[in-house]
Amino acid sequence: EDQVTQSPEALRLQEGESSSLNCSYTVSGLRGLFWYRQDPGKGPEFLFTLYSAGEEKEKERLKATLTKKESFLHITAPKPEDSATYLCAVQGGADKLIFGTGTRLQVFP
Amino acid sequence: DTGVSQDPRHKITKRGQNVTFRCDPISEHNRLYWYRQTLGQGPEFLTYFQNEAQLEKSRLLSDRFSAERPKGSFSTLEIQRTEQGDSAMYLCASRPRGTEPEKLFFGSGTQLSVL
Repeated sequence: EDQVTQSPEALRLQEGESSSLNCSYTVSGLRGLFWYRQDPGKGPEFLFTLYSAGEEKEKERLKATLTKKESFLHITAPKPEDSATYLCAVQGGADKLIFGTGTRLQVFP
Repeated sequence: DTGVSQDPRHKITKRGQNVTFRCDPISEHNRLYWYRQTLGQGPEFLTYFQNEAQLEKSRLLSDRFSAERPKGSFSTLEIQRTEQGDSAMYLCASRPRGTEPEKLFFGSGTQLSVL
């Protein structure tokens, strides 16, 4: 069965303190791995799609990488506005996403 | 920019009552999805439509749940005889045909509280 595990559950960072979020997955025939950001009371907002091992994508202070078993979301010099829950999801053969439970990130000034 | 719209934003109901939620996808998006999210969890897939056809339903979708998309535009999700365990955020998402796999555009959700 397709499964996604994210760690840590929660992360507290000082502004400017870089770190990484982990997403481990098992899926039959990975078609894509997705990162979303979710603010309280809102729906997830798309960040990245990664399709194959070795692929990397960047957006502002965020960089996502993918291996055959896991993905990392690296946050460089975070700011308080980066505080949110970051969700990882995979798509296998079926036309639906399997989400992890997310990492709650808090960045303090 | 008219994103995915969901109504109502919040719904409080008593156990045993029926509730209906509405989702208006982004115009011309032919795929529409329903997900459910409880506190501290990621969204869980419920069902999806391609135009008016409901193509897949999760085992999470009990007989008390029904979803429709009658004209391939807006969709409704109805829960009959609500239970306290139905309390959750119900998220709708859409995407056009032919984009990269599953880049979904989510609405802000309907927060259901069953008392």
